[in-house]
Amino acid sequence: QITLKESGPTLVKPTQTLTLTCTFSGFSLSTSGVGVGWIRQPPGKALEWLALIYWNDDKRYSPSLKSRLTITKDTSKNQVVLTMTNMDPVDTATYYCARITVTRAVDYWGQGTLVTVSS
Amino acid sequence: QSALTQPASVSGSPGQSITISCTGTSSDVGGYNYVSWYQQHPGKAPKLMIYEVSNRPSGVPDRFSGSKSGNTASLTISGLQAEDEADYYCSSYTSSSTSVVFGGGTKLTVL
Repeated sequence: QITLKESGPTLVKPTQTLTLTCTFSGFSLSTSGVGVGWIRQPPGKALEWLALIYWNDDKRYSPSLKSRLTITKDTSKNQVVLTMTNMDPVDTATYYCARITVTRAVDYWGQGTLVTVSS
Repeated sequence: QSALTQPASVSGSPGQSITISCTGTSSDVGGYNYVSWYQQHPGKAPKLMIYEVSNRPSGVPDRFSGSKSGNTASLTISGLQAEDEADYYCSSYTSSSTSVVFGGGTKLTVL
């Protein structure tokens, strides 16, 4: 059974750095073809791709957010960490981590975590 | 990179068929067979319904089908059921960033 779960703060202040951890089970990020990514969804709005990392440490970022994002993996802990700097109220959203295939299909999703940016 | 274009809403009666379009460019939808479709019910995480244009994951009813022509992909739901009422999103690999781009989402209402 494949599961993913996001963890991190639910409230951050403007200009702070957000750090989210995705802990997964049922698969290994050392297996060829496997990736884990982050996707967010502001309240009432559409999904937005953020970043992904593959088994071979290949990383891809949203062009519009690339300067603010860093994605890393700890294969031994089955974890992927996303950091986003200089948070702003417009970054308020539900943040999902998910397993990604090489053809960029998201086949398993976490439950999501709502992050609110407010002073 | 711009989001893929989807209609904001579509509707249909139980038993009918509907089609949701997803229009991109030759750098994404038109250039690769890497289009996926997701269903999202309120308050829930999205669920993969179609991958690589027309493939269904195990457990997805065959009422759901996908296709592509040029820069436009389509999701067709036949034999509409009440539980199909949800938001639907398309996504595609994009060569402009070698990453992913999503559509703006389509709200399906079952009348």
